[in-house]
Amino acid sequence: GAVVSQHPSWVICKSGTSVKIECRSLDFQATTMFWYRQFPKQSLMLMATSNEGSKATYEQGVEKDKFLINHASLTLSTLTVTSAHPEDSSFYICSAPGGTEINTGELFFGEGSRLTVL
Amino acid sequence: EDQVTQSPEALRLQEGESSSLNCSYTVSGLRGLFWYRQDPGKGPEFLFTLYSAGEEKEKERLKATLTKKESFLHITAPKPEDSATYLCAVADSWGKFQFGAGTQVVVTP
Repeated sequence: GAVVSQHPSWVICKSGTSVKIECRSLDFQATTMFWYRQFPKQSLMLMATSNEGSKATYEQGVEKDKFLINHASLTLSTLTVTSAHPEDSSFYICSAPGGTEINTGELFFGEGSRLTVL
Repeated sequence: EDQVTQSPEALRLQEGESSSLNCSYTVSGLRGLFWYRQDPGKGPEFLFTLYSAGEEKEKERLKATLTKKESFLHITAPKPEDSATYLCAVADSWGKFQFGAGTQVVVTP
């Protein structure tokens, strides 16, 4: 299946700093990527939809100024957590649709990034 | 509003003890129901897609089935390496995914 790579796999930062997470589609082009957040023993919660060449679409309750998304190419989307605080500590996962049409096929996920804010 | 409910939350099995996981859903226009496996600290790994009621898919010891209201993931004669959290997700007519909270499966030797 399609391969999605995410980096870094884990990061520890001080409160108030910004952290960037990269998501790459390795063997296919992804005009759309999705960013999820997952708390322990909870479901994946969609944060935003990243669209190549245009602005991201954020889910209700997600601060777009705090979670900056850039989808500069057909294989790379980045999520920047700005001025991170301990409550931002979580597992962040990106995904991309593997079908030939957006939203008709399964999602392929990156390995996830564990963010810990001290 | 789309909803996905998985049960049980956790399942402990002896090696070889077959069992089933349930995924109940309500969705406006089902485009697909997906099963994923997630190991601790990792992203979900795709297992199956089911598109219509009556459809079945199999992969090694796993078999997924679908009705109009729920899906089952059957694990036949599980092995310790089948231990993981199994996630169910539905995609609605807009293509939006909704995930369940998952069933944590532990298979002991």
